[in-house]
Amino acid sequence: KNEVEQSPQNLTAQEGEFITINCSYSVGISALHWLQQHPGGGIVSLFMLSSGKKKHGRLIATINIQEKHSSLHITASHPRDSAVYICAVRWGSGGGADGLTFGKGTHLIIQP
Amino acid sequence: EADIYQTPRYLVIGTGKKITLECSQTMGHDKMYWYQQDPGMELHLIHYSYGVNSTEKGDLSSESTVSRIRTEHFPLTLESARPSHTSQYLCASTGGNNSPLHFGNGTRLTVT
Repeated sequence: KNEVEQSPQNLTAQEGEFITINCSYSVGISALHWLQQHPGGGIVSLFMLSSGKKKHGRLIATINIQEKHSSLHITASHPRDSAVYICAVRWGSGGGADGLTFGKGTHLIIQP
Repeated sequence: EADIYQTPRYLVIGTGKKITLECSQTMGHDKMYWYQQDPGMELHLIHYSYGVNSTEKGDLSSESTVSRIRTEHFPLTLESARPSHTSQYLCASTGGNNSPLHFGNGTRLTVT
């Protein structure tokens, strides 16, 4: 079964720290999504990438296709960054209904 | 600013009742999805649609049904609600396999 693994599961850091969240997957993909879910439940799409690196404000996402690994970085973290960050991959082929699999998420808390 | 809308936001209902969760998007997306998410857990796909009159079951066995009569509207119906249906239901859409995902704010369903 195609799998998506995120680490860490939980992360608590101080305001201003540099944050890294990791996502590894088992087979070839056509795209990888990073999503943010706040305590209210709504989900926001942060990035979609299939190669290289993308940057938006204080957020940076990278992907290494050969190593089947992606990272989400947050620079100068702030309490408002506290949320669950979810990695989702669209498989290159197969992989279940609609070919999209979600990780379990990383619960990030940034303390003032 | 949400372009995909879910109603109701919260719903408490008794066992055996029929309910319909509404989802509408204004982006003209062909692909729409329903996910179920228990607290602290990952998203599970329960239904998806690739366009009008197209509906498919997802990975998670579900006692719900969906319809897609119009591009913008993808309602989810539970014919007879049970306490095991208590969960959050999230609707999403995308313009294509390599396009960003857009999520609604979710419906938190409690069946008593």
